[in-house]
Amino acid sequence: EDKVVQSPLSLVVHEGDTVTLNCSYEVTNFRSLLWYKQEKKAPTFLFMLTSSGIEKKSGRLSSILDKKELFSILNITATQTGDSAIYLCAVEEGSQGNLIFGKGTKLSVKP
Amino acid sequence: NAGVTQTPKFQVLKTGQSMTLQCAQDMNHNSMYWYRQDPGMGLRLIYYSASEGTTDKGEVPNGYNVSRLNKREFSLRLESAAPSQTSVYFCASSEAILRDTQYFGPGTRLTVL
Repeated sequence: EDKVVQSPLSLVVHEGDTVTLNCSYEVTNFRSLLWYKQEKKAPTFLFMLTSSGIEKKSGRLSSILDKKELFSILNITATQTGDSAIYLCAVEEGSQGNLIFGKGTKLSVKP
Repeated sequence: NAGVTQTPKFQVLKTGQSMTLQCAQDMNHNSMYWYRQDPGMGLRLIYYSASEGTTDKGEVPNGYNVSRLNKREFSLRLESAAPSQTSVYFCASSEAILRDTQYFGPGTRLTVL
């Protein structure tokens, strides 16, 4: 059965800390891996990864994919209280591009 | 340019009642999706439409039906609501099937008593 597992499920850090969120997956026909940030309502797209070893960066956020070991990490440096959110990992699989979501990591950044 | 809009924002139903959630996008996207989000579960795909005229089941389609009315609109219908369908429902759209950034609507919070 296809699955996407995120860890940790929740994390509390202080402003300025660096955090690493993990996403491992087992799917039969991998196409891409996506990271989303969800604060109060709809998730907002962060990154889409399709190739191993190529880091994607956006400000203090970065992500990389390892297709051999079947995982991805999302790094956030110099965290701010505004980074507090649920971070969702999703894997696109199959010919129709079905999305399988992990359960999310709830990040709380304390001042 | 409103992006993705959903109506209603909130709804309370009694068990067995039916209703349709509406979604529209004005970005000329080909693909549209319906998700539900439950605490601790993450987003789960209910149905999606790769292009106008096609719909496919996602991860959790039971109890739902969809209609891709035209390129802009994708509705989700609950024929006989159950308490297990209490959730927040998100509609999303993208240019191509999951190859591009998905844009999400604001969500509909549904409570089934």
